Amino acid sequence: SAVISQKPSRDICQRGTSLTIQCQVDSQVTMMFWYRQQPGQSLTLIATANQGSEATYESGFVIDKFPISRPNLTFSTLTVSNMSPEDSSIYLCSVGRGAVNTEAFFGQGTRLTVV
Amino acid sequence: AQKITQTQPGMFVQEKEAVTLDCTYDTSDPSYGLFWYKQPSSGEMIFLIYQGSYDQQNATEGRYSLNFQKARKSANLVISASQLGDSAMYFCAMREVRNYQLIWGAGTKLIIKP
Repeated sequence: SAVISQKPSRDICQRGTSLTIQCQVDSQVTMMFWYRQQPGQSLTLIATANQGSEATYESGFVIDKFPISRPNLTFSTLTVSNMSPEDSSIYLCSVGRGAVNTEAFFGQGTRLTVV
Repeated sequence: AQKITQTQPGMFVQEKEAVTLDCTYDTSDPSYGLFWYKQPSSGEMIFLIYQGSYDQQNATEGRYSLNFQKARKSANLVISASQLGDSAMYFCAMREVRNYQLIWGAGTKLIIKP
């Protein structure tokens, strides 16, 4: 298993500003994922953070809006840029080996409210 | 096409009763894994149980068991002797061998009544 520390746990931000969310894992992991969960919805994958290369973004998400860093195998950040109220969501960091029979582990999530 | 379907948006269950949360899936891949997660109001995602497509027996983890019916493509979660602390959102997810990403259902909100 992996222990994931994600911070901040929650924040209230002004529109137009940016917030950087940090994800620290207690062991080296190849794959780190960032999800968004809008109110009352399921999880939507934003991107896969790859160490030493650019993140791979899912359809509908762009690097300018959600820049991601992955400086090493235990750490990643997601920035939500130029925020609007529509960005109010829970953002979740996840790690896993990506194999069929391995579960994904999650950080405690960041509950973001944009006002 | 939706790959994971959870048909129960919400459920109310009396404390100590057993609960079955429905999940059906769709895949053409013979090798896949099915997962259930619990999300309390605090927001974190908690892994509950896993079932592999080639597993002969249904998975069990404490009070959680997975009723896996491969021919029907269903993977229902059964919670025995429900407790107030079981109140949460429950998500079913699938991973296919050809795709490392998890595919998520819409979730079921479970409320346990005292």
